[in-house]
Amino acid sequence: DTGVSQDPRHKITKRGQNVTFRCDPISEHNRLYWYRQTLGQGPEFLTYFQNEAQLEKSRLLSDRFSAERPKGSFSTLEIQRTEQGDSAMYLCASSSYGEQYFGPGTRLTVT
Amino acid sequence: SQQGEEDPQALSIQEGENATMNCSYKTSINNLQWYRQNSGRGLVHLILIRSNEREKHSGRLRVTLDTSKKSSSLLITASRAADTASYFCATDAEGETSGSRLTFGEGTQLTVNP
Repeated sequence: DTGVSQDPRHKITKRGQNVTFRCDPISEHNRLYWYRQTLGQGPEFLTYFQNEAQLEKSRLLSDRFSAERPKGSFSTLEIQRTEQGDSAMYLCASSSYGEQYFGPGTRLTVT
Repeated sequence: SQQGEEDPQALSIQEGENATMNCSYKTSINNLQWYRQNSGRGLVHLILIRSNEREKHSGRLRVTLDTSKKSSSLLITASRAADTASYFCATDAEGETSGSRLTFGEGTQLTVNP
């Protein structure tokens, strides 16, 4: 257990529905990251926050994706109008500097 | 897009043997990190090596970094069945704000047979 928690751990949804994931980082970490991982691949960066500011977003993060970190603590990642291609593991990580500590991930299946 | 490539893609060894995994990357870096992932679970940080370091040890792990060749290796000595996992290298690119995104390779699947 790295101290980063994610909820839910598994989500099955129908195409076209909206889903929201939550990440609670290690409390003293000011940086929070979202990655997406598909089967057999390494994680791919989506976005990251320093405190409540969203500093970078990947081109992978289409208009249907939005992330927030309203008080610089927990973060949410919302996917609107889900598509089958969104099926993946969504990983959250936090850091203060250097090493990133990952949560267990949320596995999304879009049917 | 993936920054680098890991070699081999899969490695199967006997308990007690050493395992070596290699990683190549494309851009200059601030640091390179190695992570382990057990099937279907989150990533566990193993070791970080900075661009001005050439070798680093942690327990049974030894990491080397050759910035002139843009490559790194991870050596696990005296392997155990519990080391069975996927291993990923990840780079923190120079020129980016240090501590921003990591770019991962595709991983090496290590199987240690009892």
